Amino acid sequence: GEDVEQSLFLSVREGDSSVINCTYTDSSSTYLYWYKQEPGAGLQLLTYIFSNMDMKQDQRLTVLLNKKDKHLSLRIADTQTGDSAIYFCAESVLQAGTALIFGKGTTLSVSS
Amino acid sequence: EPEVTQTPSHQVTQMGQEVILRCVPISNHLYFYWYRQILGQKVEFLVSFYNNEISEKSEIFDDQFSVERPDGSNFTLKIRSTKLEDSAMYFCASSEEQGKYQPQHFGDGTRLSIL
Repeated sequence: GEDVEQSLFLSVREGDSSVINCTYTDSSSTYLYWYKQEPGAGLQLLTYIFSNMDMKQDQRLTVLLNKKDKHLSLRIADTQTGDSAIYFCAESVLQAGTALIFGKGTTLSVSS
Repeated sequence: EPEVTQTPSHQVTQMGQEVILRCVPISNHLYFYWYRQILGQKVEFLVSFYNNEISEKSEIFDDQFSVERPDGSNFTLKIRSTKLEDSAMYFCASSEEQGKYQPQHFGDGTRLSIL
């Protein structure tokens, strides 16, 4: 079945770039999403990419998609302490209809 | 910016009791969803709802669960005869059109604790 995997933790220093990685198994994924969850808060949609794209940039965020390797990454430039949160990768799969399949989330810790 | 709101933020219930979790989706959205996240585990899809009926549901969404849109704004998840393993964070989401092509916007969640 469909599965989405992420590394669990990433620690960076303020001002550095952060790269959060995600792999997925279903090659028929249509959209891939990044959500951010701050402590005690819900899931905030950060960005998404359609599966026929290779890259999408939105201010400090860059999403790269390698369809051959089924690998998605989120790069955060000039990481700030306010970026500390859990980042979830999710995919929508045609066969699954509208359900989003989530990874377990990567906890990003930014130190000053 | 419009947002999905969920109430209550935390619900504590005795095992065996019924609980209703409430959500107000974004006003012009047509598709509504419930997800849950057991502590330390992945966010899991429960059910999607469109045009006053369930459009999809997962294996988790058995007869213990039901959803309803009782009026033009609220979307509820009812859990009957709650069990300890129902303890989780429950997220409501909504999307403007067919969910495959429109992003789902999430509420802050209701933390359900079953004692």
